[in-house]
Amino acid sequence: GAVVSQHPSWVICKSGTSVKIECRSLDFQATTMFWYRQFPKQSLMLMATSNEGSKATYEQGVEKDKFLINHASLTLSTLTVTSAHPEDSSFYICSARGSLAGSVEQYFGPGTRLTVT
Amino acid sequence: DAKTTQPPSMDCAEGRAANLPCNHSTISGNEYVYWYRQIHSQGPQYIIHGLKNNETNEMASLIITEDRKSSTLILPHATLRDTAVYYCIVRVRNSGNTPLVFGKGTRLSVIA
Repeated sequence: GAVVSQHPSWVICKSGTSVKIECRSLDFQATTMFWYRQFPKQSLMLMATSNEGSKATYEQGVEKDKFLINHASLTLSTLTVTSAHPEDSSFYICSARGSLAGSVEQYFGPGTRLTVT
Repeated sequence: DAKTTQPPSMDCAEGRAANLPCNHSTISGNEYVYWYRQIHSQGPQYIIHGLKNNETNEMASLIITEDRKSSTLILPHATLRDTAVYYCIVRVRNSGNTPLVFGKGTRLSVIA
């Protein structure tokens, strides 16, 4: 199946700093990428949807100026958490969808665990 | 997308079949049933999907009732590595930019 990678797999940063998370589709072109976050013992919550070359669409309650999403190419999307605070500590997961021969449609990355101290 | 209902948790003995139910009584005719699972601290993993016929792959079998209001995911010989949260999701296939929406899922614990 198609592979989606994320980098880094975990990161610790100080409050007030910014962190960038990369999401790559390794063997297919991702026309659409999704960003989710997951707090402990909770389900995945969609943060935003991005299409290559377009501005991301954010879910209600997600601050677009705090969570900057860039989808500049068909294989790369980035999520930047700006001025991170401890409450931003979470598991961030990206997902990609593209024109694949298969029918699964949406593939997920392994996730990035962010801890803000 | 139609709403799904799953039990919050289930236990299964190692080596036995794990049968995970999902109710989707409001499913529409063009909506598929998808199953994903999430092992702790990993991203979700696709398992299987179907429309109305039973489906089987190397991971699992999916049994969909004739009225399509419920389905069961079957892991034929559960192992400890199958311990995960299993999500049943109903959605129209190839529905553009619409993402998968996750409910609370079923936490399956496989016990030695």
